[in-house]
Amino acid sequence: DGGITQSPKYLFRKEGQNVTLSCEQNLNHDAMYWYRQDPGQGLRLIYYSQIVNDFQKGDIAEGYSVSREKKESFPLTVTSAQKNPTAFYLCASSPLEGVTEAFFGQGTRLTVV
Amino acid sequence: AQSVTQLGSHVSVSEGALVLLRCNYSSSVPPYLFWYVQYPNQGLQLLLKYTTGATLVKGINGFEAEFKKSETSFHLTKPSAHMSDAAEYFCAVRLANAGGTSYGKLTFGQGTILTVHP
Repeated sequence: DGGITQSPKYLFRKEGQNVTLSCEQNLNHDAMYWYRQDPGQGLRLIYYSQIVNDFQKGDIAEGYSVSREKKESFPLTVTSAQKNPTAFYLCASSPLEGVTEAFFGQGTRLTVV
Repeated sequence: AQSVTQLGSHVSVSEGALVLLRCNYSSSVPPYLFWYVQYPNQGLQLLLKYTTGATLVKGINGFEAEFKKSETSFHLTKPSAHMSDAAEYFCAVRLANAGGTSYGKLTFGQGTILTVHP
């Protein structure tokens, strides 16, 4: 089945450690996105990529980094510079052509203690 | 810049009652509009979308929404609520370019949590 796979579903880390969240898609979509979700704040865009080896900052990129070495993969690293990293992280993808929605993974809940 | 406002962070209805979730947007160019649903600790699932053409859009699970350009609104409705409709709902907007293809990122509203009472 085609879709977006995020792993792990739950992640615990100690404060000050970097952590990488995985996102893989087999939908052959060009664009991929990372969103952060906090209660009452909706989804906020962290980074997005429209082509391999290129990506752009979203609205809240500080303290995060990404890479796009393969079309299928768009990992997100939450660095120690992110002041409040505990949140629910959602990865999405979409084609660039045509009028279509974004397709979402099941999310990763990151808790930093 | 585009933005989305969902009126009411929490909406509570009785089973069988009308569901109305409000969404207003601002955009300098014609937008594409979406409603997504999210169940606890899960990703987002598309309910329906408006692109062009008919302004009344029907989606899954009996939901529909009407695009009203003059009111910059895209409210979501369902005639009769079911217990399984309890979830969080997000309205989102994506810009369309002059050629009619969509590009760029989605901008989301803050979400509305729907509670359905028996």
